[in-house]
Amino acid sequence: ETGVTQTPRHLVMGMTNKKSLKCEQHLGHNAMYWYKQSAKKPLELMFVYSLEERVENNSVPSRFSPECPNSSHLFLHLHTLQPEDSALYLCASSQGSGTGGPRNGYTFGSGTRLTVV
Amino acid sequence: AQSVTQLGSHVSVSEGALVLLRCNYSSSVPPYLFWYVQYPNQGLQLLLKYTSAATLVKGINGFEAEFKKSETSFHLTKPSAHMSDAAEYFCAVRAGGGNKLTFGTGTQLKVEL
Repeated sequence: ETGVTQTPRHLVMGMTNKKSLKCEQHLGHNAMYWYKQSAKKPLELMFVYSLEERVENNSVPSRFSPECPNSSHLFLHLHTLQPEDSALYLCASSQGSGTGGPRNGYTFGSGTRLTVV
Repeated sequence: AQSVTQLGSHVSVSEGALVLLRCNYSSSVPPYLFWYVQYPNQGLQLLLKYTSAATLVKGINGFEAEFKKSETSFHLTKPSAHMSDAAEYFCAVRAGGGNKLTFGTGTQLKVEL
């Protein structure tokens, strides 16, 4: 148990489907993140939520829609995706910003392997 | 602004040999530094971290890293590689008061018999 749980672990979806990825953390953290990891590319930070407010959106296409209903849950809603969106999607959490900051770094989930067909 | 450079996207060592994975950082303020390991189809797992206490940091699985301010480096080492160490390793830096960790591009470690 890593403290950050992602479901599903694997997802295959057509380009016209709508699906959601779920992330849940049991660590009492107040910041959560979505990353995209594609083959042979660096980790791409997609979204950052701090205290349930979106504080960063790194030019992510609108077909990706995040939702953070509370500090323990984070969703990534997907619709009309493209084949190039196939990747490993990683969720992470950390204790928030400020002097105390994320001294312990981020805690990652195991990821959702997404394949768009 | 902060950044991390990992030299060598692929490193290959023999089982029992020294592992050295290089990481250099850039930061205008004292940084926090991290090494993560990722096994296939898994998330990133924290190996060790530097948070301005001891400059030599010991982590899990026999890994350690030394913070060298004069060289702006935080290289990861292990005296004797094991087959189970084969994975991808990421260096990351956090500086300033924000949440953001900046990751390097990763180094794939291969361990050969």
